[in-house]
Amino acid sequence: KAGVTQTPRYLIKTRGQQVTLSCSPISGHRSVSWYQQTPGQGLQFLFEYFSETQRNKGNFPGRFSGRQFSNSRSEMNVSTLELGDSALYLCASSWAPLGQGLDEQFFGPGTRLTVL
Amino acid sequence: GQNIDQPTEMTATEGAIVQINCTYQTSGFNGLFWYQQHAGEAPTFLSYNVLDGLEEKGRFSSFLSRSKGYSYLLLKELQMKDSASYLCAALAGGATNKLIFGTGTLLAVQP
Repeated sequence: KAGVTQTPRYLIKTRGQQVTLSCSPISGHRSVSWYQQTPGQGLQFLFEYFSETQRNKGNFPGRFSGRQFSNSRSEMNVSTLELGDSALYLCASSWAPLGQGLDEQFFGPGTRLTVL
Repeated sequence: GQNIDQPTEMTATEGAIVQINCTYQTSGFNGLFWYQQHAGEAPTFLSYNVLDGLEEKGRFSSFLSRSKGYSYLLLKELQMKDSASYLCAALAGGATNKLIFGTGTLLAVQP
């Protein structure tokens, strides 16, 4: 069974640009959660999608958005990039949504975004 | 406010038992997660507790007390490979759920 995949693995952008990251969950998983990890702030929750609907959302500005497709693949978009957006962006998939009979959650390897 | 507290660092000896504590204060509570993260790697899900009590999974156990806002992760028969950061996260309720992470506990297992 293939694991969670994220593309691209590394990305370099400049301030003001926008970026789209992709996450393909484990086959059969319908929940995809996104996280940002930085040395200063640690791991922070961005949002969760389940069956194409955003169920949960962290405390990030509207520049951070996402969506989920009918095949459960998810994309995350960051517009008007700022230097502080440089981070490792992780996604995780699970069969059940967060807080509802969650059994296990699997993380992808992450996308390392550098904003110059 | 919403807050998760866990020790920054801990040291333990190979073969021993270690308990990593986590206290939380959230507006609404829908469960407590524990993750393991080795340096340079993605986190690995360890456990999810929503009811009070102890849940055991092999060498790892996780305990939750909702009334005390307290959880711990218990690691038995420590191995060198258990050296990692352990993250506690609370699923806070409200109009939408938010997963709030602690800063992580860096565990060093020594021979």
